[in-house]
Order: sequence, then C-alpha cells, then structure tokens
Amino acid sequence: QVQLQESGPGLVKPSETLSLTCSVSGDSITDFYWSWIRQPPGKGLEWIASIYHSENSHSNPSLRSRVSLSVDTSKSQISLQLTSVTAADTAVYYCARDAGTNIGIFDTWGQGTMISVSS
Amino acid sequence: DIQMTQSPSSLSASVGDSVTITCRASQTVSIYLSWYQQIPGKAPKLLIYAASGLQSGVPSRFSGSGSGTEFTLTITSLQPDDFATYYCQQNYSPPITFGQGTRLEIK
Repeated sequence: QVQLQESGPGLVKPSETLSLTCSVSGDSITDFYWSWIRQPPGKGLEWIASIYHSENSHSNPSLRSRVSLSVDTSKSQISLQLTSVTAADTAVYYCARDAGTNIGIFDTWGQGTMISVSS
Repeated sequence: DIQMTQSPSSLSASVGDSVTITCRASQTVSIYLSWYQQIPGKAPKLLIYAASGLQSGVPSRFSGSGSGTEFTLTITSLQPDDFATYYCQQNYSPPITFGQGTRLEIK
C-alpha cells in the first residue's frame, strides 16, 4: 500500500524559500501524477501544483511564479519549493497521489506537515 | 477559476440520520467532481470521484450524484465516524479548486 510522508523545516522566515519533500513508499513514483495541496489553519484546501516524472508539471496560477516541483526517482521523492514566502503561506502542506488520468483525483494523502512563516 | 460553493456551511444531525450536502460550480465541470472527508487533524480522504464513483473501501452509505454545475453528497444512516468536514473539488478545468467545506456536527 502506497504511503506518503512529507518533511519540512516547520518554521520559515518571511521572504525566504520554503523547501518540502514528500517520500513515497509502496508504489512506483513514475506511474502517477503527484500533487501538493495546502490548508491554512482553520481554512479550506488549496491546490498548489502537480507533477508527472520531471517533465510535466502544472501549477496554480496564483502561485505559479513562486512554485517549482521536482521528482527524484532514485530517492522516490517529490520536492516543492516556494519562494518569497509571507505569513499567508502558513499552512499544513500535504502531498497526494493523483489516481486519475486527469489531474485532480487525490486518492492517497500524506499526513501533512505544518509550516509557519514568521520572523 | 471555477468557484465551488457548498451548502450548507454546517449542519447538525444525529447518528442514524441521512444528510445531503450540495456543491455548485460557477460553470460546468461535467462530472469531474470529487468529494473528500476530513477529520480534524487528519488529511482529507477521497470518498467519491467522477461525481458518483465510490472510492474503494468507502462504505456504500456514501453516494454522490449530479453533473454540470450541481452536485450532491448523500450520507445515509450516519455513523459516529462520519462527523467531519466534507469538501467538494473540481478537476474539469485548471486550476483545481475546492469548495469551502461543510462541517457535519453531532446534534
């Protein structure tokens, strides 16, 4: 059974770059799209971006200029970088497997990692 | 962006009741509509995909219907584990967007 585990710094200073990693076990990382979704405290869900291998990625236009994704097949990891963070980027960040042929059916989720942006 | 609006934002029900949550899209999403359940402190869980497809392992008391711009999630015979927040989500047109959530509470 596929398992996802996010890891991150916990606390990031404003204007810095947030780097997150999602480790995938129990499944081939090359067979699916992988996505990042976030949830600010007490609020709803926001799709950030999705990636398939390292050559095909899609991102939310509201974040596109600050987001980059990559896949490391040797480590079975997906990475997210978010530049120039502000307090508005404080959220739980989830990685998820995309089950469908269309991006956007998230059938497996990691437990999430809380990221706070503060000086 | 396609806006997803859920109603009600919250509702109270008792164990054994049936409830229906509605999700409306600002433009057609065909049947590219999923429903998720989120228990506080946990990741969302996929319940329904393609408007009415029941995800593997999800009890049959959960059902989805609709197409175009209006969708419903129905839960029959509510169980204690069903009291959670439910989100609809469209993947018809990027960016993928979610509804604001419906909080189902125990009466």
